Amino acid sequence: QKEVEQDPGPLSVPEGAIVSLNCTYSNSAFQYFMWYRQYSRKGPELLMYTYSSGNKEDGRFTAQVDKSSKYISLFIRDSQPSDSATYLCAMSAPDNFNKFYFGSGTKLNVKP
Amino acid sequence: KAGVTQTPRYLIKTRGQQVTLSCSPISGHRSVSWYQQTPGQGLQFLFEYFSETQRNKGNFPGRFSGRQFSNSRSEMNVSTLELGDSALYLCASSGSGGNTEAFFGQGTRLTV
Repeated sequence: QKEVEQDPGPLSVPEGAIVSLNCTYSNSAFQYFMWYRQYSRKGPELLMYTYSSGNKEDGRFTAQVDKSSKYISLFIRDSQPSDSATYLCAMSAPDNFNKFYFGSGTKLNVKP
Repeated sequence: KAGVTQTPRYLIKTRGQQVTLSCSPISGHRSVSWYQQTPGQGLQFLFEYFSETQRNKGNFPGRFSGRQFSNSRSEMNVSTLELGDSALYLCASSGSGGNTEAFFGQGTRLTV
C-alpha cells in the first residue's frame, strides 16, 4: 500500500464549478501538508501549505486537513479553464520535514 | 526574486553513460531536494542536501548521487544510465527553518 493515495482522475467539470480534490494517507506522523499544481511539461507550483489539522483559505482555494481520518482536501471555487492541470498532494513528517511523499496526482479539466 | 533554476532542461543520453544535472536554489535557501518523476511511479524523493551535507536519502541505487556547494547550488549525478532512468528530474528549494514550503524548478527531462 502506498503511503499517499490520490484518485488519478481525470476529473472534468464545467467552468464555474466547485472542485474537490482529495488524498488519504497511512502515516500518522505526517504533520505538513501541501498541494501543488503542475501544468504539462512544467515543474510543480506550490498552491497551499498547511501544518497539522484545520482549514486554510487563499483566494479561490481552500485546503482542509483531517488528521483523525488521515484525509486532506483541496477545494477550488469558481473553477476556470486555466485551472486545468494535474494537482498533487504532498506531505511530510517532522523528523524529515523536507522529504515529501506525493500522491500520484489528479488530472483536472475545466471546460469553458 | 529569482526562482529555482535547473539546467539543462533536456538531455538525451545513451545507456551506460553518466549525466550531471544542476540546480540553483532560491537565494537564501539552504536546502535542496531532488525528485524523480515518472508516469508509473509519480514523484519519488531521491535525496536532500543542507549546508553541503546529505540530510536525507530515498530508496534509489548508489548510481544516483549528489552534492551541494557552499553557495547552495546542487548537482545530481547518475552513472551507468539505464533505460528506466528516463524521467523528469525535479529540484526543490526550501528555507533553513522548520518551514517546509518547497519551491520546484522546471525540471530536467532525461531521455535514455
